[in-house]
Amino acid sequence: AQSVAQPEDQVNVAEGNPLTVKCTYSVSGNPYLFWYVQYPNRGLQFLLKYITGDNLVKGSYGFEAEFNKSQTSFHLKKPSALVSDSALYFCAVRSEDTDKLIFGTGTRLQVFP
Amino acid sequence: GAGVSQTPSNKVTEKGKYVELRCDPISGHTALYWYRQSLGQGPEFLIYFQGTGAADDSGLPNDRFFAVRPEGSVSTLKIQRTERGDSAVYLCASSLIGVRGNEQFFGPGTRLTVL
Repeated sequence: AQSVAQPEDQVNVAEGNPLTVKCTYSVSGNPYLFWYVQYPNRGLQFLLKYITGDNLVKGSYGFEAEFNKSQTSFHLKKPSALVSDSALYFCAVRSEDTDKLIFGTGTRLQVFP
Repeated sequence: GAGVSQTPSNKVTEKGKYVELRCDPISGHTALYWYRQSLGQGPEFLIYFQGTGAADDSGLPNDRFFAVRPEGSVSTLKIQRTERGDSAVYLCASSLIGVRGNEQFFGPGTRLTVL
């Protein structure tokens, strides 16, 4: 069965500092991995994805994520956090043979000025 | 261009009533998905359409839930005999098919409250 774990309910970081939001997954076969961000009263916005190729993928708003097959992880990173990055972040996975996404429970990122 | 739209944005109903939630996907997207997001949780898959047919309805919780997409564009999620436990935000997403690893684009959701 497919699953996603986001071990941190909340991550706090000071503006200008680097941030990491953790995600680990379980899937049979090759994974397709995604990060989405959700602002209050708005839908999920796609940030980035890993399908194949380079383990470091870059996405919107300066975010990037690193795929680590041996650790089954796909952590979201940003070199310098902004207050406007404060939101709820979801990691999601699907396998090659299905189209439904399995989401983690989300991590609330709080960036302090 | 226009994104995925969902109506209504909010729906309040009484236990036992019937509700319909509508989703308008991005033009040209043949794949359409419904998810349900309860408070403090990530979205949970309900059903997936390719064109007019349901390709995977394994996430529908019981037979009170049903979805249609008669012309391969707009979709309606129907819930009969609503229960308080059905209260959640219902999200719709669409994507292209035939593109490996294609991302899904989400609408703003319909917040359903069952009193």
